[in-house]
Amino acid sequence: DSGVTQTPKHLITATGQRVTLRCSPRSGDLSVYWYQQSLDQGLQFLIQYYNGEERAKGNILERFSAQQFPDLHSELNLSSLELGDSALYFCASSVGTGGDYGYTFGSGTRLTVV
Amino acid sequence: LAKTTQPISMDSYEGQEVNITCSHNNIATNDYITWYQQFPSQGPRFIIQGYKTKVTNEVASLFIPADRKSSTLSLPRVSLSDTAVYYCLVGTTTDSWGKLQFGAGTQVVVTP
Repeated sequence: DSGVTQTPKHLITATGQRVTLRCSPRSGDLSVYWYQQSLDQGLQFLIQYYNGEERAKGNILERFSAQQFPDLHSELNLSSLELGDSALYFCASSVGTGGDYGYTFGSGTRLTVV
Repeated sequence: LAKTTQPISMDSYEGQEVNITCSHNNIATNDYITWYQQFPSQGPRFIIQGYKTKVTNEVASLFIPADRKSSTLSLPRVSLSDTAVYYCLVGTTTDSWGKLQFGAGTQVVVTP
């Protein structure tokens, strides 16, 4: 158990639908990062939050959005889902905004869009 | 951001030492080097981080030459459970690490 909790572990949904992925960071960590990993794309950084504020944005589609709540958990919202959105979505957390001693990943949410 | 280059795959037998070299020719003065390990369908796991010379922990060693343009992750006496993808990342710990992209990594396959 890495200390980063992601729910749900698996999600199957139809095209056009909207889903919400949840992440609870490791205790004491203020930063949360979201990554998407598909077979042909590798690990792609989506977005980072630090203590409730958006800190960095990567290759996140406009159909996707995220937020970090006062209790530091984060949610990634994916809407108007397409078949190509099928992937593993990972959340990671770190103490600060940087990568001191690396950051800790959760076990991921596997999203299948049918 | 420093770009990294590492081999696509490496094969090894159980009990051997595996050395994976990562090239990062444009590494900046403040950049650290970090390695992650990822098993199928699991999130990457932090292995080791270093700035210069040599760093060792219970899992691996990281060798960084004086010019810091490359680094070598050394896995001593690998076992079947070390079969995984290994990623090398370079960046400053004061920046947003989220900006860093994981490359394709090195697929290490350990066989009996």
